[in-house]
Amino acid sequence: GAGVSQSPRYKVAKRGQDVALRCDPISGHVSLFWYQQALGQGPEFLTYFQNEAQLDKSGLPSDRFFAERPEGSVSTLKIQRTQQEDSAVYLCASSQLGGGGEKLFFGSGTQLSVL
Amino acid sequence: GQNIDQPTEMTATEGAIVQINCTYQTSGFNGLFWYQQHAGEAPTFLSYNVLDGLEEKGRFSSFLSRSKGYSYLLLKELQMKDSASYLCAVVGGSYIPTFGRGTSLIVHP
Repeated sequence: GAGVSQSPRYKVAKRGQDVALRCDPISGHVSLFWYQQALGQGPEFLTYFQNEAQLDKSGLPSDRFFAERPEGSVSTLKIQRTQQEDSAVYLCASSQLGGGGEKLFFGSGTQLSVL
Repeated sequence: GQNIDQPTEMTATEGAIVQINCTYQTSGFNGLFWYQQHAGEAPTFLSYNVLDGLEEKGRFSSFLSRSKGYSYLLLKELQMKDSASYLCAVVGGSYIPTFGRGTSLIVHP
């Protein structure tokens, strides 16, 4: 596609509900990152995929957070039993290769509000 | 781990020049990025430095000193549309970009 696409754009969940956030990276991009951005803060790293392999998940805040990229393209971030502190914008970014010295292309994010 | 520090907020006048600083501490270094983020939008790439010195791109320039753990973004001929958050991101030994908290720039007439 032309850019990184994320859906839904906005998600309201009741505390305790499970949510699934989708990211469609730029076609052919090897690397995919998930970040969490609280209001007025910079993006905080959650997890990193190179193709279908999840190479780093050190930023996932708890075992309620799970991410997958089964075919090396679309990725889903799942949050189980959502809590109010999970409210944030979840950003997905992709880059062409897997070296680290490349610019990231970001999606517009999913704004999650947990009530 | 990494520690990245940048000012929370800056204000400047339309037409002026502003310099946004970023200091960092990192284990290993594989480059420093600057991104621009307008409110409610995705961050977009501005510049990348991996060697010491100044990179110039139109109205925007970015400087890096690896020995000092220091970078700055210089914006010239400021326009109202430059009002945004500016994010400094460091790529360390893990090859994962780590972002600072961002500097909110307000440009007024």
